[in-house]
Amino acid sequence: DTGVSQDPRHKITKRGQNVTFRCDPISEHNRLYWYRQTLGQGPEFLTYFQNEAQLEKSRLLSDRFSAERPKGSFSTLEIQRTEQGDSAMYLCASGRTGTAGNTIYFGEGSWLTVV
Amino acid sequence: QKEVEQDPGPLSVPEGAIVSLNCTYSNSAFQYFMWYRQYSRKGPELLMYTYSSGNKEDGRFTAQVDKSSKYISLFIRDSQPSDSATYLCAMDQGAQKLVFGQGTRLTINP
Repeated sequence: DTGVSQDPRHKITKRGQNVTFRCDPISEHNRLYWYRQTLGQGPEFLTYFQNEAQLEKSRLLSDRFSAERPKGSFSTLEIQRTEQGDSAMYLCASGRTGTAGNTIYFGEGSWLTVV
Repeated sequence: QKEVEQDPGPLSVPEGAIVSLNCTYSNSAFQYFMWYRQYSRKGPELLMYTYSSGNKEDGRFTAQVDKSSKYISLFIRDSQPSDSATYLCAMDQGAQKLVFGQGTRLTINP
């Protein structure tokens, strides 16, 4: 499979615990994006990387959230001290510089339930 | 007010009907307009995209953009039960960052 892969697909955690999601982008893509989607809403942009540099973070990304892309390949999104409001699907997408929004591809998402 | 507005539905139509889905937006700088289809608990998949104003057709799907009205549409002809999904409009804010509508949940009844 050469698409965007995300792991785990589902995570149930207790409030206050830390969780980490991993995204493996399409190999030739240098841009990687994280979005959050809650039930009945469209995805909302959280942050993106170009190679290993994190170029933008949304105001939605509180201090409890941190994303990394250490070698410009896979990325991790960590949520510390989870809250019930963090329950959502976390989507990863990848693309290439020099192309437009129609050429980014999404993974299947990682569902987080905070109980 | 959200940058992109989309009626969440739900929308339910009989098989074979023509479906019309719409979004309005506020940022006149948007140039790329996309429609994504999302099945339950899956990631969005790109269905159609249009650059600037105009129409684009792909099989049973037609995308229209009217930049003067800041209004985009997706038409589905001869709708099938397999078209039942949530349809999301999206616009490129630059650097391939997308802003999405709320999504319209569509059900095609056999």
